[in-house]
Amino acid sequence: GEDVEQSLFLSVREGDSSVINCTYTDSSSTYLYWYKQEPGAGLQLLTYIFSNMDMKQDQRLTVLLNKKDKHLSLRIADTQTGDSAIYFCAELNSGGYQKVTFGTGTKLQVIP
Amino acid sequence: GAGVSQSPSNKVTEKGKDVELRCDPISGHTALYWYRQRLGQGLEFLIYFQGNSAPDKSGLPSDRFSAERTGESVSTLTIQRTQQEDSAVYLCASSLGQDLGNTEAFFGQGTRLTVV
Repeated sequence: GEDVEQSLFLSVREGDSSVINCTYTDSSSTYLYWYKQEPGAGLQLLTYIFSNMDMKQDQRLTVLLNKKDKHLSLRIADTQTGDSAIYFCAELNSGGYQKVTFGTGTKLQVIP
Repeated sequence: GAGVSQSPSNKVTEKGKDVELRCDPISGHTALYWYRQRLGQGLEFLIYFQGNSAPDKSGLPSDRFSAERTGESVSTLTIQRTQQEDSAVYLCASSLGQDLGNTEAFFGQGTRLTVV
């Protein structure tokens, strides 16, 4: 079955880089996602990567995918206090029926 | 509709009462998910619908929890004989669910359930 795991908490200083890690088990994953949940708000899609890519860059965000190790990471450069949120990793599998499986989320705390 | 709609947005209920939570997914989305998020914690998967059937209901925490979906549209999550540990935000999400490549999941704002 599918399983997506993340560490629960990460604390960084403002201006430093943040790296949030995620591991998944489903080798048939086609897309992998990062969602962001700001305090008191709903989940919003932040970025995604197709499984045949190794890296995707979008302004301060860099997504790295190691398909062999089933490891996904999100790097936030020059982390700001506004980046404080819970970040959820998710995978889309296409075995039989399409289903998105979410990790439990990593709470990022940015210290001024 | 324009987005995933959940109702009520807030619900306070007495311990032992039954509650029904409603989710209106985005029109045309065949996949629908229910999650629970306790205060300050991550997402806890409850159940997944593809159309009107639920191929994965592995996350329902007990037989007090049930969900149904009709018309490949609205879903209701029912919690019977509520307990204080059921207090949480219940989130619904929907996605296209078809073999169309990237399929983003869109979340509703959630129903905050408080059992007193």
